[in-house]
Amino acid sequence: GENVEQHPSTLSVQEGDSAVIKCTYSDSASNYFPWYKQELGKRPQLIIDIRSNVGEKKDQRIAVTLNKTAKHFSLHITETQPEDSAVYFCAARLNDYKLSFGAGTTVTVRA
Amino acid sequence: DADVTQTPRNRITKTGKRIMLECSQTKGHDRMYWYRQDPGLGLRLIYYSFDVKDINKGEISDGYSVSRQAQAKFSLSLESAIPNQTALYFCATSDFVAGEQFFGPGTRLTVL
Repeated sequence: GENVEQHPSTLSVQEGDSAVIKCTYSDSASNYFPWYKQELGKRPQLIIDIRSNVGEKKDQRIAVTLNKTAKHFSLHITETQPEDSAVYFCAARLNDYKLSFGAGTTVTVRA
Repeated sequence: DADVTQTPRNRITKTGKRIMLECSQTKGHDRMYWYRQDPGLGLRLIYYSFDVKDINKGEISDGYSVSRQAQAKFSLSLESAIPNQTALYFCATSDFVAGEQFFGPGTRLTVL
């Protein structure tokens, strides 16, 4: 099966600075890489995703990059705001539509 | 709005008790999943179902069973609960085309 590792486990940034979370995956056949945000006491929700035929995708202040050769992908949040404080999960999916999740990164944005 | 719901939202039970967690969805999705979330371990797949007649074990299925009663309903059972099954449980659904998974609100289970 797929194994996804996520770093760092915690990240504290000053409001307005950027945050970067990195994930690696083990199976080169993985073809879909979503990122989920989970606010305290809430359900995980998809914030951005990327497919294996794309190297980068942006949506306002968030972007995801994928390096298939190195089998890693990253989430970039620019101009962080207090509402960006949450737990972020990366995931990878093989053709069987099962998601394998990373352990999560707790992001704290300091005012 | 189409949604994924879970009942109960919170449950405290004792070791050895049988307990069922229920999931319903109005999204019309064929695929449904059960995950458990533990601090520092992320979301781990317990069971998944791609249609009513298709049930598959995930990475941590021991001690759990499931039932897909209809396209819209997927239940998770703990036949004899033990304390290390204390966790937050999420149900999720997805369709075939997009693959995005939509999560329910979660059930917090405590086994004493």
